[in-house]
Amino acid sequence: KAGVTQTPRYLIKTRGQQVTLSCSPISGHRSVSWYQQTPGQGLQFLFEYFSETQRNKGNFPGRFSGRQFSNSRSEMNVSTLELGDSALYLCASSSGWQAATYEQYFGPGTRLTVT
Amino acid sequence: GQQVMQIPQYQHVQEGEDFTTYCNSSTTLSNIQWYKQRPGGHPVFLIQLVKSGEVKKQKRLTFQFGEAKKNSSLHITATQTTDVGTYFCAVGSYSGAGSYQLTFGKGTKLSVIP
Repeated sequence: KAGVTQTPRYLIKTRGQQVTLSCSPISGHRSVSWYQQTPGQGLQFLFEYFSETQRNKGNFPGRFSGRQFSNSRSEMNVSTLELGDSALYLCASSSGWQAATYEQYFGPGTRLTVT
Repeated sequence: GQQVMQIPQYQHVQEGEDFTTYCNSSTTLSNIQWYKQRPGGHPVFLIQLVKSGEVKKQKRLTFQFGEAKKNSSLHITATQTTDVGTYFCAVGSYSGAGSYQLTFGKGTKLSVIP
């Protein structure tokens, strides 16, 4: 089985712009979660989708949004980028309906740099 | 939301020495997962523990869940250079907004000196 794929792998944006990141889960997985990883804050939960519905949302401002499509692929969007949004954005898929109780398979991540 | 403390933050060991990282919570946990992230890589699932006092082994790795389900440890016997990376614990928890999410510890970065 192919693993979780994320595109693009690297991205450089300027403050005020918006960005869309994409994630394709492992075939058959309907749960997709997104995490932000920074040296200072570590791995932080952004949101979780299951069957096109957002099931859980982390403590991030409304500039961070996401969605999931009928084929389980997911996108996350960050609007009005700030310097502090520079991070590695990781997508993870799981076979269960509640991500926190099932093994998470992570993708390679998208490295976002905001200048 | 749930706070989980992971110690130590860094650990440098000589190849062949043992290594242990601990994860502690002030509240009872439903489950705990362990992940390993190699430098430049992404987290890879190692194991999930759900039962009080549970002990699981994977070759040189031993995982324990405390009797009170408030702490957990990962022990590596006779470290090798392939063990280098950051080890994270992650727990399922409800956030202040009622969202049930996976909360990660800050991780223990392991360096192995050959």
